[in-house]
Amino acid sequence: GDSVTQMEGPVTLSEEAFLTINCTYTATGYPSLFWYVQYPGEGLQLLLKATKADDKGSNKGFEATYRKETTSFHLEKGSVQVSDSAVYFCALSDDDYKLSFGAGTTVTVRA
Amino acid sequence: DSGVTQTPKHLITATGQRVTLRCSPRSGDLSVYWYQQSLDQGLQFLIQYYNGEERAKGNILERFSAQQFPDLHSELNLSSLELGDSALYFCASSVAGVSTETQYFGPGTRLLVL
Repeated sequence: GDSVTQMEGPVTLSEEAFLTINCTYTATGYPSLFWYVQYPGEGLQLLLKATKADDKGSNKGFEATYRKETTSFHLEKGSVQVSDSAVYFCALSDDDYKLSFGAGTTVTVRA
Repeated sequence: DSGVTQTPKHLITATGQRVTLRCSPRSGDLSVYWYQQSLDQGLQFLIQYYNGEERAKGNILERFSAQQFPDLHSELNLSSLELGDSALYFCASSVAGVSTETQYFGPGTRLLVL
């Protein structure tokens, strides 16, 4: 079945540092790929998505490129802020409609 | 604010009891999904409805059931509750329920079974 493997955390960074969270997937079809973010005490919010190979999703300084050849969708941000502290989830959606999530990566950014 | 509402925000109940969680999707969205988030299992898909009909089922226990009503709101019923059912339950909605769409999540209902 479909599955998502993402980098285990927690990750602790200083402000303005470079962030990368690795995500790889296994899917039978041609999935859409998503990054969701969960701030403390809140629900999940879409951060960015890509629906086909070589698409790049971007939002709020975050980027991820859908790489079919390496089955990856790594999340990157060039300069993180304290407000980026959250849990980040990589997810895929295939022909069976549901979202399959990775385990989540907790990111803490220190001033 | 995603536009998806869930009630109640918190629920505390005892083992063996039955509870109902309610979800109202974003205006115009026909598809509703339910997910369970727990420390040991992570985020797990439970069930999806589209325009009142069940479309997909995931790791949903037989003690759990759901439905989507004509006004498109959905309810998740959890019965014979066990300690292990304690979790955060999320509802999400999307327009047509296809894989390329964004699912918009509600704030969740935190269930504690004592």
